[in-house]
Amino acid sequence: AQTVTQSQPEMSVQEAETVTLSCTYDTSENNYYLFWYKQPPSRQMILVIRQEAYKQQNATENRFSVNFQKAAKSFSLKISDSQRGDTAMYFCAQGGSSNTGKLIFGQGTTLQVKP
Amino acid sequence: AAGVIQSPRHLIKEKRETATLKCYPIPRHDTVYWYQQGPGQDPQFLISFYEKMQSDKGSIPDRFSAQQFSDYHSELNMSSLELGDSALYFCASTRTGSEQFFGPGTRLTVL
Repeated sequence: AQTVTQSQPEMSVQEAETVTLSCTYDTSENNYYLFWYKQPPSRQMILVIRQEAYKQQNATENRFSVNFQKAAKSFSLKISDSQRGDTAMYFCAQGGSSNTGKLIFGQGTTLQVKP
Repeated sequence: AAGVIQSPRHLIKEKRETATLKCYPIPRHDTVYWYQQGPGQDPQFLISFYEKMQSDKGSIPDRFSAQQFSDYHSELNMSSLELGDSALYFCASTRTGSEQFFGPGTRLTVL
């Protein structure tokens, strides 16, 4: 069975600093996708970044980057130059390569960016 | 750009009543997913449709049913509502090979 684990229920960071959110997963699939979603107080699910498992290069989107360690089944999110608007719940998720593509989410990490 | 539309945004029902949630995917998206997010929890996959056929099924109660229509919109029907059904229900859509785009969710409250 596929599982996604986020071991940090809550984290905080000072504005302009860097923070890393951890995620591990378990899957028997060879080709899959990994995602980080942001859920602000509005509860909208917003895609932050996506990584395809067959790509060795870590994905980067502006201030957001990942450290993808396929052998260790680890997928951490680094947020640089943290901003107040980054305050939200962050979910790590794994999806398969088939058309069904359902997402399996981790438990979430609440991130608070402090002024 | 067009986004996923869900209606209604908020719904209040009594126990044992029936609710219908609607989802309108992004145009040309061929797959629709339904997720349930309870208070303080992560979203849980319920069911998905690919080209109007059910493609996968997750932890969806037998009291719930869903379908996708010829215009690709989808409806989640929930009967004999229980207090524990109170949650945020997301619909997401995708085109094969792309990421899932989530709608704003329907907040269901069962009293």
